[in-house]
Amino acid sequence: AQSVTQLGSHVSVSEGALVLLRCNYSSSVPPYLFWYVQYPNQGLQLLLKYTSAATLVKGINGFEAEFKKSETSFHLTKPSAHMSDAAEYFCAVSPMEYGNKLVFGAGTILRVKS
Amino acid sequence: GAGVSQSPRYKVAKRGQDVALRCDPISGHVSLFWYQQALGQGPEFLTYFQNEAQLDKSGLPSDRFFAERPEGSVSTLKIQRTQQEDSAVYLCASSSGLAVYNEQFFGPGTRLTVL
Repeated sequence: AQSVTQLGSHVSVSEGALVLLRCNYSSSVPPYLFWYVQYPNQGLQLLLKYTSAATLVKGINGFEAEFKKSETSFHLTKPSAHMSDAAEYFCAVSPMEYGNKLVFGAGTILRVKS
Repeated sequence: GAGVSQSPRYKVAKRGQDVALRCDPISGHVSLFWYQQALGQGPEFLTYFQNEAQLDKSGLPSDRFFAERPEGSVSTLKIQRTQQEDSAVYLCASSSGLAVYNEQFFGPGTRLTVL
């Protein structure tokens, strides 16, 4: 079975500091990996996705993630945090090209301090 | 254009009542998903439709949960004889394609509270 582990349910950074949100997955086959962001009272929005092309994936709002097969990781980074980045972030995996369902991690709430 | 909409946004039910949650996907999207998000957890897959066909219902937690999409557009998730453990946010998502790498667009969710 596929699963996702997000280390740290809460992460706090200062404005302008590096953002690092950790995601490790387990999958018996090469996975498709995703990061979603959820703002209060809004739906999840796709930040970026890995679909077996380049291992370094760039997304919206300055976020990027690197797929590391040897570490089974897909950590999300942003060089400089902005107040508007405060939200909850979810990592998700799907091991199948067709079949469609996503398996989500428990989420990490990012707090940005001024 | 309009995104995925869900109604009602909030629903309070007494234990044992039946509820129906509606999802209006993005027009033309063939794939539709339902997820359940308990407090403090990530979304969990419930069921998947390709047009009107329910191709995967492996995530439905019990036979009290039923979903339909009769005309391949609007979908309804019905929960019979609600229990307190059914309290959660129910998310609907739609996608234009059939492959997992087609982006799933999520609605704002329906927050169900069972008293």
